[in-house]
Amino acid sequence: DTAVSQTPKYLVTQMGNDKSIKCEQNLGHDTMYWYKQDSKKFLKIMFSYNNKELIINETVPNRFSPKSPDKAHLNLHINSLELGDSAVYFCASSSLGQDFYGYTFGSGTRLTVV
Amino acid sequence: RKEVEQDPGPFNVPEGATVAFNCTYSNSASQSFFWYRQDCRKEPKLLMSVYSSGNEDGRFTAQLNRASQYISLLIRDSKLSDSATYLCVVNPGGYQKVTFGIGTKLQVIP
Repeated sequence: DTAVSQTPKYLVTQMGNDKSIKCEQNLGHDTMYWYKQDSKKFLKIMFSYNNKELIINETVPNRFSPKSPDKAHLNLHINSLELGDSAVYFCASSSLGQDFYGYTFGSGTRLTVV
Repeated sequence: RKEVEQDPGPFNVPEGATVAFNCTYSNSASQSFFWYRQDCRKEPKLLMSVYSSGNEDGRFTAQLNRASQYISLLIRDSKLSDSATYLCVVNPGGYQKVTFGIGTKLQVIP
């Protein structure tokens, strides 16, 4: 059983399109995240949801809109894709506070905008 | 000072060598610390947590020095399969965001 699964694994799309990435976790964690890893390999947090509530919202263009229908799911919708959006997007989950024992990551979505 | 700093390397070491990485952090109130491993084109995976008393898992030893605000990872008897990027992770606690270092690339050479 995959603990954190995200789809699709690869996404190639043209500039200006709108696309979504989905993420699901079956670990019973209360917090989920979206991270972006660019070509320089730096992992940067974008959003975090705790029990469906947005708790971290880094400086990200408002073309990126996360949605958490329940605490096991966190989706990312991207409008009007740009070349600079090309990166690997990782979903992750964890518990928070004293129960934080690190993240579990999904296998990543490699987005290429052409 | 950056929140979390790591030497990006690469560290090229022969098989069997011992190699150590350090990671410094700026928030003295940080509560927990981790080392993650990321293979090429894969997701980061938890390698080990880091405790003040130090902890060991086989050939891997992690240490935390709160006074000097750094954590370390020691790998003994390096294997080819240890080649990866090692990410330092610092958790300030509560709902504050966890910070990843840029990672240190290790290449173990036959």
